[in-house]
Amino acid sequence: GAVVSQHPSRVICKSGTSVKIECRSLDFQATTMFWYRQFPKQSLMLMATSNEGSKATYEQGVEKDKFLINHASLTLSTLTVTSAHPEDSSFYICSAAGDSPVGDTQYFGPGTRLTVL
Amino acid sequence: SQQGEEDPQALSIQEGENATMNCSYKTSINNLQWYRQNSGRGLVHLILIRSNEREKHSGRLRVTLDTSKKSSSLLITASRAADTASYFCATVPSGGYQKVTFGIGTKLQVIP
Repeated sequence: GAVVSQHPSRVICKSGTSVKIECRSLDFQATTMFWYRQFPKQSLMLMATSNEGSKATYEQGVEKDKFLINHASLTLSTLTVTSAHPEDSSFYICSAAGDSPVGDTQYFGPGTRLTVL
Repeated sequence: SQQGEEDPQALSIQEGENATMNCSYKTSINNLQWYRQNSGRGLVHLILIRSNEREKHSGRLRVTLDTSKKSSSLLITASRAADTASYFCATVPSGGYQKVTFGIGTKLQVIP
C-alpha cells in the first residue's frame, strides 16, 4: 500500500514555542491531506483538510491562526502549532489521499506525539 | 459531531475466539472503512466496504454493511494475541473525501 511518513515522531517543547510537523506521501501524489488530533483514549478528530496549492479548510472549533497548515506540494503538508501550550499536547496524525493507485482510501502517517511542558 | 459509534467500547476474549465489533453511523455514506491502531501508534487500514456492497472478506476479517440500518460489523475470526489493538470505523460521506469521521473505537484485548 501507499506510504505516508511523519516527522518528527515525537517532540517535547516548552510552552510558548512553535512546533512544525511534516507529513509526506512517499510513493504517490496526495492531492488532499488531512490532519487529525487524538487525545489519550479518544478517537481521531479531524482538524483540517488541505488541498495542494490552496488554503486549508478547518473544522469548527479549530483555530486556524494557531494551527497553520501548508500544503505546498503534492507530497508534503506541514502543520505548525504556534505558541504551543500544555493543552495542545496530543497525538497528531496526518493522512493523504489522491488519485490512482490509492483510489478513495486515505493512508495514514505513523503520528507525531507532541508534549508541551 | 462523531459519526460512527463502535460497540462495544471494550472487548476481551481468549485467543482463538472470534471477535465482533459493530459500528453505527448517521448520514449517507460513500464507503465505510475499518482501521486498527496499536497503542500509541498510527492507524493501519484494514478494509473498505462501499455503500453498494454488503459483505467483504480479507483474510480473517469479515465486514458487513447494512445501509438500511446504517450499521457495519467487523468480525475477526480465530483471534490472536497480536490482534490486541483499538479498532475504529470511519465513514466517508457521499460526495468524496471531505469530513471523514471516525468512531470512538473498540479496544480489543486477546488473551493468550
